[in-house]
Amino acid sequence: KNQVEQSPQSLIILEGKNCTLQCNYTVSPFSNLRWYKQDTGRGPVSLTIMTFSENTKSNGRYTATLDADTKQSSLHITASQLSDSASYICVVSAGSGTASKLTFGTGTRLQVTL
Amino acid sequence: GAVVSQHPSRVICKSGTSVKIECRSLDFQATTMFWYRQFPKQSLMLMATSNEGSKATYEQGVEKDKFLINHASLTLSTLTVTSAHPEDSSFYICSASVGGDTQYFGPGTRLTVL
Repeated sequence: KNQVEQSPQSLIILEGKNCTLQCNYTVSPFSNLRWYKQDTGRGPVSLTIMTFSENTKSNGRYTATLDADTKQSSLHITASQLSDSASYICVVSAGSGTASKLTFGTGTRLQVTL
Repeated sequence: GAVVSQHPSRVICKSGTSVKIECRSLDFQATTMFWYRQFPKQSLMLMATSNEGSKATYEQGVEKDKFLINHASLTLSTLTVTSAHPEDSSFYICSASVGGDTQYFGPGTRLTVL
């Protein structure tokens, strides 16, 4: 069964600090891995997407890494801002094209405080 | 680009009534649309996949007679929750795809059944 596990479940950090969120997956056949940001009461918004051959991908203050051998990914947030408070969801795609299936992690709830 | 809208954003209804939620791809034609349900502090769960002009494919455990999906055009899909009950209260999110495995998510609809 395809699974995506994220840790920690929730995290509170001070504004300006960095943090790293973790994602472990058992998905086959692996196609790609995405990190989404979901604000409360809103739909997910894509931050990064990585395929099997990519080790790292950045989007502003967000940097995602992927280790396809250990089936782990991380999302690093640099110099956090209050607006970073949201749920971050790791989503792994299996298969390709119209036959692809997404497996969602349960998310990490990040709260950035003053 | 790739904007998906949902209407309404929030709806409160009495038990036993039916509620229709619209999902529109605003600036692209979506060959496939997906409907998800998200309970508090949980991840998105796929309910059904619909292709324009054909019947939706429902995930195991999702009642097709309760959650009616219509995908009449390449830019519009509707989800009707029939005879809604309090346990149907949830956050419903749609997404749209142009054929690959990239899904663009809508902002979600909060359904509260009294």
